[in-house]
Amino acid sequence: GESVGLHLPTLSVQEGDNSIINCAYSNSASDYFIWYKQESGKGPQFIIDIRSNMDKRQGQRVTVLLNKTVKHLSLQIAATQPGDSAVYFCAEKRPGTALIFGKGTTLSVSS
Amino acid sequence: DVKVTQSSRYLVKRTGEKVFLECVQDMDHENMFWYRQDPGLGLRLIYFSYDVKMKEKGDIPEGYSVSREKKERFSLILESASTNQTSMYLCASSPTGRDEQYFGPGTRLTVT
Repeated sequence: GESVGLHLPTLSVQEGDNSIINCAYSNSASDYFIWYKQESGKGPQFIIDIRSNMDKRQGQRVTVLLNKTVKHLSLQIAATQPGDSAVYFCAEKRPGTALIFGKGTTLSVSS
Repeated sequence: DVKVTQSSRYLVKRTGEKVFLECVQDMDHENMFWYRQDPGLGLRLIYFSYDVKMKEKGDIPEGYSVSREKKERFSLILESASTNQTSMYLCASSPTGRDEQYFGPGTRLTVT
């Protein structure tokens, strides 16, 4: 079936490094994508989103890249900090449907 | 900032009990959602609502019902709790015309 997935369940980086978290989606009709951060014991927190008419969107220390040709989405975190340690989810949405979430990548930042 | 609150952070109930999970949002959002989150399965949509007194089934509605009597409040009901309903329950809301959802802190429900 169709799904949203992440390439790696875990990612470990050193403080100050840049982190890249990847996500693949399977439905070319998806026109909206979103990244969430979930810290232990808390609900998911909105980070950044992007529509399919864009290839790149930047926020504060975060960048989302969308490659529609290969149906790939990535979240880049610049100068990763210990406070960035969390589970990161991508989600996709097709017109008229609800968000479909991936299973998450756990980012661990060591100092 | 959008604020979504859930009535309990932790809840322990016995098999067969009726369980109410409450969610309140303070941003006048039309859309509200209930998910459950389980290890290895991610977030799965149980029910959602686009308006007061309106509800739609999500991907896993079996064993659950919902109530939306007021715009700001969306309740999830487990008519007869079972052990396989032990999970983290997350409520979310979003405004009409927008796709991003804002989540509450979650309720970790244990059914024994």
